[in-house]
Amino acid sequence: EIVLTQSPGTLSLSPGERATLSCRASQSISSSFLAWYQQRPGQAPRLLIYGASNRATGIPDRFSGSGSGTDFTLTISRLEPEDFAVYYCQQYGRSLMYTFGQGTKLEIK
Amino acid sequence: QLQESGPGLVKPSETLSLTCTVSGGSISSSSYHWGWIRQPPGKGLEWIGFIYYSGSTYYNPSLRSRVTISVDTSKSQFSLKLNSVTAADTAVYYCGRHYGSGIDYWGQGTLVTVSS
Repeated sequence: EIVLTQSPGTLSLSPGERATLSCRASQSISSSFLAWYQQRPGQAPRLLIYGASNRATGIPDRFSGSGSGTDFTLTISRLEPEDFAVYYCQQYGRSLMYTFGQGTKLEIK
Repeated sequence: QLQESGPGLVKPSETLSLTCTVSGGSISSSSYHWGWIRQPPGKGLEWIGFIYYSGSTYYNPSLRSRVTISVDTSKSQFSLKLNSVTAADTAVYYCGRHYGSGIDYWGQGTLVTVSS
């Protein structure tokens, strides 16, 4: 089973700053099967990025994803107040199973 | 849209049953799988499993012995049954449309508490 480890656990930044969130897999995965989600308090998760670098429908271009192999990154270029939330990475493997990382909380500094 | 429904309280050792109703799209599309994800209070996301419109299912190995997901295409619904529940199964349960590598549509979630 592939384990996804996200870092940092909590990231404290100010609006307007750049956020860089990391997701590391315990073994190499296809970038085609790596996704990122945003979850605001009391809401369902929202798909941000699929295939490691493709923005989902309606996602602002300040969100970008990159990476390959075992290391993947979600970058938010300029933080807006509504971006402070919890972010999860997720992979879909050859075993036809989805696995989530433990999440990174992005909080206002 | 996806909408979960079912009891919010289940007794220990009994079976948790939830239904997800799909509207605005075809549950019989060959492009999607339909599945369940849960989130214990204050914790992260755990994928439970999914079903294809044909009835093929795939489950999280950690829950496989207790989970059944089924589909009723005539009602545009799919369902989750989790048996022998304990307090550790208390969570918000989400249904979701699985498309490719991601889950692109989610229900609003429903809290299920396991307690006597």
